[in-house]
Amino acid sequence: GNSVTQMEGPVTLSEEAFLTINCTYTATGYPSLFWYVQYPGEGLQLLLKATKADDKGSNKGFEATYRKETTSFHLEKGSVQVSDSAVYFCALSPLYSGGGADGLTFGKGTHLIIQP
Amino acid sequence: GAGVSQSPSNKVTEKGKDVELRCDPISGHTALYWYRQSLGQGLEFLIYFQGNSAPDKSGLPSDRFSAERTGGSVSTLTIQRTQQEDSAVYLCASSSDRFTGELFFGEGSRLTVL
Repeated sequence: GNSVTQMEGPVTLSEEAFLTINCTYTATGYPSLFWYVQYPGEGLQLLLKATKADDKGSNKGFEATYRKETTSFHLEKGSVQVSDSAVYFCALSPLYSGGGADGLTFGKGTHLIIQP
Repeated sequence: GAGVSQSPSNKVTEKGKDVELRCDPISGHTALYWYRQSLGQGLEFLIYFQGNSAPDKSGLPSDRFSAERTGGSVSTLTIQRTQQEDSAVYLCASSSDRFTGELFFGEGSRLTVL
């Protein structure tokens, strides 16, 4: 079945540090890949997405590249801010996977803490 | 409303009681999803609606869980004879297109079973 694995948290960084949150997936076919973010006290919201191999999703200074050869979709940001503190979820959508449950398959989430 | 609305935001109940959680999706969104978020477990898919029908109920953890959607809009998730392991945040999401994967989430209903 489909699965998403992301690095365990919490990840604690200083402001302006470089961020990488690793995400790898297992799926049949060609899923779409997503990063969702959950700020404190809020619902999840879509941060960025990529729908095919080598696509790069980007938003709010965050980037992630769909790497089919390594089945990865790592999230990066060059200079983090305190306001980036949140829980980040990697997810896949089995649109082209030929089957499986509807809905996104999520990783367990990575809690990011940015210290001033 | 402008976003997905869920109620109640917090619910504390005693073991063995029934609870109902409500989701009001974004107007016009035909797809509606329920997820469960437990500490350290990430998001667990429960059920999906396209219109009023639920083609995929595979994620419901037991027959104590049921969900319905009426008028292609509001959905209710019902948990009968609640157990302590049902304690979690129950998230609802809606989407205008089931294939895009772009879901709009509510803030969730936090259920605590004593």
